[in-house]
Amino acid sequence: EVQLVESGGGLVQPGGSLRLSCAASGFTFSSHWMTWVRQGPGKGPEWVANINQGGSDKYYVDSVTGRFTISRDNAKNSLYLQMNSLRADDTAVYYCARTDPYNSGWFDQWGQGTLVTVSS
Amino acid sequence: DIQMTQSPSSLSASVGDRVTITCRASQDISSSLAWYQQKPGKAPKSLIYTASNLLSGVPSRFSGSGSGTDFTLTISGLQPEDFATYYCQQYKSYPLTLGGGTQVETK
Repeated sequence: EVQLVESGGGLVQPGGSLRLSCAASGFTFSSHWMTWVRQGPGKGPEWVANINQGGSDKYYVDSVTGRFTISRDNAKNSLYLQMNSLRADDTAVYYCARTDPYNSGWFDQWGQGTLVTVSS
Repeated sequence: DIQMTQSPSSLSASVGDRVTITCRASQDISSSLAWYQQKPGKAPKSLIYTASNLLSGVPSRFSGSGSGTDFTLTISGLQPEDFATYYCQQYKSYPLTLGGGTQVETK
């Protein structure tokens, strides 16, 4: 059974930093692109970033470029999101998602999410 | 960026109804479209990819169609567990973008 378990969320002040983790199991982690998607309160999901199998290709939504960094450790079956210079509009539930088996760009498995709240 | 526009934003329906949700892309995305279902407090769940391919385990009452810029998700015979919010997503180009959602409510 595929499992994606996020951790690392919490309350942080504006301008602060947070590192999210996603522990993957039940599939060959190193064979899939992986993705972070977030959902602000009362809003629809928003794609944040994704990373290829080896970690050499990374894509970001413009609003987080330069502030967030996606990375992975295939030996630990783990995905990460380093978030710096956090703003109030980064407040959201952050989901780790597996990209489809064909690496086309849709998300076939999702974690349960971790809540990030940016507030003073 | 490719904008994804869903309509309606919400609809009221009864068990057994046929429900159709529309998703329009701001430019041609071929068939690079996925649909997701989300229930309150839960993560989205993938339903359909490449516009019309059902994921394994998704009931056959769900169907998707369309290509280019206009797409539809149809639920034929709405069931109690189908009351949820539905999102479309394009994966033709970066940034990957999702629609604003369609909430299916009980009438």
